[in-house]
Amino acid sequence: GAVVSQHPSWVICKSGTSVKIECRSLDFQATTMFWYRQFPKQSLMLMATSNEGSKATYEQGVEKDKFLINHASLTLSTLTVTSAHPEDSSFYICSAPQGAPQETQYFGPGTRLLVL
Amino acid sequence: SQQGEEDPQALSIQEGENATMNCSYKTSINNLQWYRQNSGRGLVHLILIRSNEREKHSGRLRVTLDTSKKSSSLLITASRAADTASYFCAAETSGSRLTFGEGTQLTVNP
Repeated sequence: GAVVSQHPSWVICKSGTSVKIECRSLDFQATTMFWYRQFPKQSLMLMATSNEGSKATYEQGVEKDKFLINHASLTLSTLTVTSAHPEDSSFYICSAPQGAPQETQYFGPGTRLLVL
Repeated sequence: SQQGEEDPQALSIQEGENATMNCSYKTSINNLQWYRQNSGRGLVHLILIRSNEREKHSGRLRVTLDTSKKSSSLLITASRAADTASYFCAAETSGSRLTFGEGTQLTVNP
């Protein structure tokens, strides 16, 4: 099946620094990718929709200046957590849909972010 | 709230028993999907049921969908210890956006 990768798989950073997370579709092109955040023992919360060639669409309550999304190509979307703080510590997961008419979404393995 | 509801939140059964998880959602959907997540890992797609379908089977999985009640259920038959994981339903709406339920933590005891 289709494969979506994320890099890095985990990152520890100091408060105030910025962290970039990459999401790649390895064997298919994705004009749209999705970014989710998952806190421990909770469900996934959609943060934003990443659109190749246009601006990302953010869900209500998600700060677009805090979470910068760039869909650089048909196989790569990046999420940058700017000026990270401890409350941003979470598991970040991306997904990309493939196929039609009703698409199966393939999820990356996730990136665990710990902000000290 | 963006989230749908799932019950039970936690389910513990013996190997060989069946496990049933329920999910409710709030809006009109294109389809309803079920995913599995092992602790600290990514999601694995299990099964998708379209809005015009009422029941679907895949191996030991059986999914039902009742759009009038905005609810779905996932049945895992003859459970195995390896089925221990968190299970999430996800309602797909416009633009392939997924809204996840709160999840059910299933523990299958050997």
